[in-house]
Amino acid sequence: DGGITQSPKYLFRKEGQNVTLSCEQNLNHDAMYWYRQDPGQGLRLIYYSQIVNDFQKGDIAEGYSVSREKKESFPLTVTSAQKNPTAFYLCASTPPGGYSNQPQHFGDGTRLSIL
Amino acid sequence: ILNVEQSPQSLHVQEGDSTNFTCSFPSSNFYALHWYRWETAKSPEALFVMTLNGDEKKKGRISATLNTKEGYSYLYIKGSQPEDSATYLCALLGIGSSNTGKLIFGQGTTLQVKP
Repeated sequence: DGGITQSPKYLFRKEGQNVTLSCEQNLNHDAMYWYRQDPGQGLRLIYYSQIVNDFQKGDIAEGYSVSREKKESFPLTVTSAQKNPTAFYLCASTPPGGYSNQPQHFGDGTRLSIL
Repeated sequence: ILNVEQSPQSLHVQEGDSTNFTCSFPSSNFYALHWYRWETAKSPEALFVMTLNGDEKKKGRISATLNTKEGYSYLYIKGSQPEDSATYLCALLGIGSSNTGKLIFGQGTTLQVKP
């Protein structure tokens, strides 16, 4: 079955450490997105990529970095510059054919906590 | 910054009750509206993508209406069942994001259906 796989499910970060969250999709989708969820808030966009080797900052990109070397993969690195990284992170993708009528498909998420 | 508001924030109903909740958005910047259901420990699942004023969509016992002129959408659940317990997210695709797929999410309405 096609889908989006995020790993790990739970991740712990020490102070000053960079950590990378994995997102892989086998849906042949061009566009991929990273969101962050905090309690009581909606999903907020961190980064997105519409095509391989290209990505754009979302609303809360500071302290994060991404790469898009393959269509299937869109890893997110939470750097030590992100002072409040504890949150739930969701990866999503959109099918080709226009954004107005295509929903996003989501992974199961990664919960990141500070040690 | 675009703002998408959902109300109420949470809702507790008895099995068999019908219920509805609201998503409000700036009507001047509407391109499409998405509804997602997010059950605990699962990934968000698309319910509807709505684009036309007056649109009404239905999926089983769940339906949604859209008023783009006044900037709101209603989600209705008829005869709620315990398996309907989830957080319901709405997300706006603004005019400026129609070529990127960037969604602005509301904070969600969490529904709890008691047997």
